[in-house]
Amino acid sequence: EAGVVQSPRYKIIEKKQPVAFWCNPISGHNTLYWYLQNLGQGPELLIRYENEEAVDDSQLPKDRFSAERLKGVDSTLKIQPAELGDSAVYLCASSSGGSYNEQFFGPGTRLTVL
Amino acid sequence: GNSVTQMEGPVTLSEEAFLTINCTYTATGYPSLFWYVQYPGEGLQLLLKATKADDKGSNKGFEATYRKETTSFHLEKGSVQVSDSAVYFCALSAGGTSYGKLTFGQGTILTVHP
Repeated sequence: EAGVVQSPRYKIIEKKQPVAFWCNPISGHNTLYWYLQNLGQGPELLIRYENEEAVDDSQLPKDRFSAERLKGVDSTLKIQPAELGDSAVYLCASSSGGSYNEQFFGPGTRLTVL
Repeated sequence: GNSVTQMEGPVTLSEEAFLTINCTYTATGYPSLFWYVQYPGEGLQLLLKATKADDKGSNKGFEATYRKETTSFHLEKGSVQVSDSAVYFCALSAGGTSYGKLTFGQGTILTVHP
């Protein structure tokens, strides 16, 4: 079974440019998460989807970040415009739901903003 | 709010040494507790979990016991191998408004030398 797929793996952009990250969760997983991982830190939740509904986006900086999960499968996370402080690893995870259920993580996208 | 505190790293050990990585947490209610591992160049993987007090999670020779009285979930392994070199994250998942969200510690880098 394929794991969580993310692309691109690496992205280098100049500040003020837009950037988008794509995630394909494990087949059948209704719950999808986007996490932000700064260097030397643990991941922090940005947004959680149940199917196509964003049920927790309280940590998403909505002035520049947006996300969508059309049709309840793939998801895209966008930053516009990017700032220097956005340099980090963006992780996507999926699960079959529930507080106890394992979240499966993708390899992440490492963003560098110059 | 919920939080997880891990022992400062990095931790450097010789092969076959005993490993302990301390983890304590603060949470409302009765969270589930997890240890995730991140091998170089790979995504986060669930190592073990415990969902209620006094549960012991175990996998690949690693163990951790959910201690409600000390709010701890320390990771142990009796004899580490070079292949255990990775970053280890303690995490919790609580209910209420944090349902489904993983709160991570800052991670502990483990390096095992032959």
